[in-house]
Amino acid sequence: SSELTQDPAVSVALGQTVRITCQGDILGSYYASWYQQKPGQAPELVMFGMNNRPSGIPDRFSGSSSGNTASLTITGAQAEDEADYYCNSRDSSGNRLVFGGGTKLTVL
Amino acid sequence: EVQLVESGGGLVQPGGSLRLSCAASGFTFSSNAMNWVRQAPGKGLEWVSGISNSGGSRYYADSVKGRFTISRDNSKNTLYLQMNSLRAEDTAIYYCAKDVGTGGPGRIDSWGQGTLVTVSS
Repeated sequence: SSELTQDPAVSVALGQTVRITCQGDILGSYYASWYQQKPGQAPELVMFGMNNRPSGIPDRFSGSSSGNTASLTITGAQAEDEADYYCNSRDSSGNRLVFGGGTKLTVL
Repeated sequence: EVQLVESGGGLVQPGGSLRLSCAASGFTFSSNAMNWVRQAPGKGLEWVSGISNSGGSRYYADSVKGRFTISRDNSKNTLYLQMNSLRAEDTAIYYCAKDVGTGGPGRIDSWGQGTLVTVSS
């Protein structure tokens, strides 16, 4: 299956650590990428590969992968991290992309 | 700085057609594959279509195959999406998205701001 499954919603207290997960059989073959989307804005790439941050993404964001699960961890969550987070990867054909359903992160 | 500016969205009746454009700047357009990704109101992201850097290979989601056609003009640094036989379920914001690779859809690293397509009578 090429489906990617995410928890619909996660919350974290300000300054605490939160892990957002993405599960799918295809993640045994491809790394996930992670995108942050704030209301009314386009998505933004925040993590790719095993643990690679694009330029400008704070180092409180980190990534990991084990088996068929990819994770995005925010260590010391800030109010500005409140957003929807989407994982994605190639599908089993290698010729299409698939996105997870998204996780809404609330910072309390 | 990469800039992707979509245009061409609007209100169209079911069964109608629309062509979206995406003007690219800030990178060598002919060196990168490109994608279209859409987001229905209040919903998640859905990959729609991708095209290789040369335009020689095109890829589609099952939901749009046979109705949508992706193309590009590297001399104009512009990506297109021709949408025919539109349905209500095609209503969404359509994002133009730059790929890091040259061939099939791989990893998106930049997004435009999107253009809204509404299919309704």
